[in-house]
Amino acid sequence: AQSVTQLGSHVSVSEGALVLLRCNYSSSVPPYLFWYVQYPNQGLQLLLKYTSAATLVKGINGFEAEFKKSETSFHLTKPSAHMSDAAEYFCAVSANFGNEKLTFGTGTRLTIIP
Amino acid sequence: NAGVTQTPKFRVLKTGQSMTLLCAQDMNHEYMYWYRQDPGMGLRLIHYSVGEGTTAKGEVPDGYNVSRLKKQNFLLGLESAAPSQTSVYFCASRRGIGPDTQYFGPGTRLTVL
Repeated sequence: AQSVTQLGSHVSVSEGALVLLRCNYSSSVPPYLFWYVQYPNQGLQLLLKYTSAATLVKGINGFEAEFKKSETSFHLTKPSAHMSDAAEYFCAVSANFGNEKLTFGTGTRLTIIP
Repeated sequence: NAGVTQTPKFRVLKTGQSMTLLCAQDMNHEYMYWYRQDPGMGLRLIHYSVGEGTTAKGEVPDGYNVSRLKKQNFLLGLESAAPSQTSVYFCASRRGIGPDTQYFGPGTRLTVL
């Protein structure tokens, strides 16, 4: 079985500051990992995903995430926050074979302070 | 290419009423999913389908039924709505499993009084 834990349901950063959203996973088999973003009153859209090709994954809007097996982590970062980054972010995991389902974390709401 | 669409966008029901939510995708995806989103609980899987004519239970299936008679459509039914089913419902589809991206619809906000 797979699961993810997102540390911090709310994170606030100043505009221009580093964004760091934390995700730790649990998986008995090598995982695929995803970050999704949800803007207000919208569905989720993919930011980036880890598929074992490279441990540092770059996504849209300047976000990136690093897969660290030793720490079972897949934290999401962005060097400089922008007001448009205010949204809810979800980490998700699936097994790398035989699993039709994604398991989502409970989400982190990111607020940008002007 | 509309992606994943959901009908309706908003609905208010009285306890005991029934309704059907429609999800449609035009990407020829095999896999389709219904989730509910509640504050602080993330997305929870209700039911899913791995192909036309198939359905399977997710994490929170009680009180819901689904059907996938056509590959492009996935219907979610509430036979007798309860206030606990007040939520935002999202449909998603996916070409395959593993690393394939899951694409989400815009959501349906359901209130049960």
